[in-house]
Amino acid sequence: DTGVSQNPRHKITKRGQNVTFRCDPISEHNRLYWYRQTLGQGPEFLTYFQNEAQLEKSRLLSDRFSAERPKGSFSTLEIQRTEQGDSAMYLCAGQESSYNSPLHFGNGTRLTVT
Amino acid sequence: SQQGEEDPQALSIQEGENATMNCSYKTSINNLQWYRQNSGRGLVHLILIRSNEREKHSGRLRVTLDTSKKSSSLLITASRAADTASYFCATADYNNNDMRFGAGTRLTVKP
Repeated sequence: DTGVSQNPRHKITKRGQNVTFRCDPISEHNRLYWYRQTLGQGPEFLTYFQNEAQLEKSRLLSDRFSAERPKGSFSTLEIQRTEQGDSAMYLCAGQESSYNSPLHFGNGTRLTVT
Repeated sequence: SQQGEEDPQALSIQEGENATMNCSYKTSINNLQWYRQNSGRGLVHLILIRSNEREKHSGRLRVTLDTSKKSSSLLITASRAADTASYFCATADYNNNDMRFGAGTRLTVKP
């Protein structure tokens, strides 16, 4: 158990709807990452936070995606106007402040857009 | 965008054999990490090797890093059926420290 929890585990939504996912890392995780993973592929970087500051966002990420980490603790990832191509596993990972430390992943939220 | 590329994409071996997976990357890095993923689950950290290290061991795992070739290898010795999983390398970029993953190697260990 990594201590990182993600909710919900599964989400089924209709195209065009908005969805929001939540990630709760442990308190020692100053850094928090969001990734997207499709079947047979590696995790694709979306964005990451150092405490509450969003330090980088993938250029591949459309404006429909937004992430927040309001108090440097939990984080939310919102997808607006979902499309079928958004169907994927969304993974969150926490990391201690040193970049020479491992990522601790949650079990992910599986999104299905119908 | 992906950073590393694992090779091979898939590997099938018999229990007891050794499994070697390779990873190549493109930019300067602070460290390289290997992760394992069982189907439908999150990734689990296996081992981290810093850019100034050349080899590291952890149990049945041996990792090498060649920064001049921008490549790493993961060796699993005396494999077990329970080692069946996907294995990914990830690099901490030297400039911005974000973590990027490769596409992974799917390892199947037959009992």
